[in-house]
Amino acid sequence: DTEVTQTPKHLVMGMTNKKSLKCEQHMGHRAMYWYKQKAKKPPELMFVYSYEKLSINESVPSRFSPECPNSSLLNLHLHALQPEDSALYLCASSQVKRAKSYNEQFFGPGTRLTVL
Amino acid sequence: AQTVTQSQPEMSVQEAETVTLSCTYDTSESNYYLFWYKQPPSRQMILVIRQEAYKQQNATENRFSVNFQKAAKSFSLKISDSQLGDTAMYFCAFMNYTGTASKLTFGTGTRLQVTL
Repeated sequence: DTEVTQTPKHLVMGMTNKKSLKCEQHMGHRAMYWYKQKAKKPPELMFVYSYEKLSINESVPSRFSPECPNSSLLNLHLHALQPEDSALYLCASSQVKRAKSYNEQFFGPGTRLTVL
Repeated sequence: AQTVTQSQPEMSVQEAETVTLSCTYDTSESNYYLFWYKQPPSRQMILVIRQEAYKQQNATENRFSVNFQKAAKSFSLKISDSQLGDTAMYFCAFMNYTGTASKLTFGTGTRLQVTL
């Protein structure tokens, strides 16, 4: 199984709602990532988890709250978002670093989020 | 910090012809990886080809090949025998490591249109 799954595929929420994005992989990867991609722009890294611990936070606003409850699952909790947060949210996973090795990041299909 | 530059926002090529997409990057690191990702309208990020910085030999994957010039910090993608299915956004990406997690930095992308 070389697939990263993301749910939901589409999400529309108001600025006062609380919602969550879910990402799952069963490849035994111990690193998981959230990216944000605005229309016609490249993906931008938001968070990295390594061995279920937050490893990188790219100065993301606190209205985005990541969670990695186990090695297969990654959540992104959303609260009080702004319309400018509307974007495609991509999840990825990879092996963690080993000496002189390359660890491909496998991407999910993304969740398209619209904030009204 | 790393930067990745793609100077061609859009390109067009006829089916069966060859096209080259440009990418330059800037880094002070010596151990890194470079990638070309393809993102078709379905939005799924697909790895096309990778290059390890410590390898002098240019990578090749079927119709896709790279011209890696480490001293010039240049990493171009050549697509031979272009097919309609190659129509997509192409992102050049730089990977380095922070602790045990890898970090991808993407260029701004080149939209490739393959025509009949």
